Amino acid sequence: DVKVTQSSRYLVKRTGEKVFLECVQDMDHENMFWYRQDPGLGLRLIYFSYDVKMKEKGDIPEGYSVSREKKERFSLILESASTNQTSMYLCASSLWPVPDEQFFGPGTRLTVL
Amino acid sequence: QKEVEQNSGPLSVPEGAIASLNCTYSDRGSQSFFWYRQYSGKSPELIMFIYSNGDKEDGRFTAQLNKASQYVSLLIRDSQPSDSATYLCAVRGSNYQLIWGAGTKLIIKP
Repeated sequence: DVKVTQSSRYLVKRTGEKVFLECVQDMDHENMFWYRQDPGLGLRLIYFSYDVKMKEKGDIPEGYSVSREKKERFSLILESASTNQTSMYLCASSLWPVPDEQFFGPGTRLTVL
Repeated sequence: QKEVEQNSGPLSVPEGAIASLNCTYSDRGSQSFFWYRQYSGKSPELIMFIYSNGDKEDGRFTAQLNKASQYVSLLIRDSQPSDSATYLCAVRGSNYQLIWGAGTKLIIKP
């Protein structure tokens, strides 16, 4: 059974803190994605990676960075959390080369106070 | 800016009726079209995809694609309360990235 896991379901942080969100998939997928989902805005792509140590900016990369040191793990980093980064963060993975069927993790609801 | 548009709803449909969900997209070079279902508090899951003009049926679900008019729709026959969810339309554009609609909330009333 395919599985994408995320390190936390709920997270509360303070403004200015450095935040790490981790995602692990066990499907040997090449592509991995980080999205944020806000009411009325749908899924917005933050970063994606198509291979180890490779990363590409999505639509809203400002304020975020990523790391992919191993194929199965893709981390999202908020260098200095701000209140406008309060959101649901979803990790997904898919086979290469095209990102057609994406498998999602359960999501991390991040609140920045 | 490439866009995918959906009516946010909620769309309320009686149990047993046909639910019709629509999606329009702006990128004429789009190649693949997807419907994901997202239950409240859960993450999206793929239920249908369609690549060619016309209809594609899978059980109670039918996806319809009209590339000339740039719309894709999802029909759910014999709607059940368990179909109540938000349905996300996603389109793979000419740059190979998925572009997501904001979703339509569907409510099936018993």
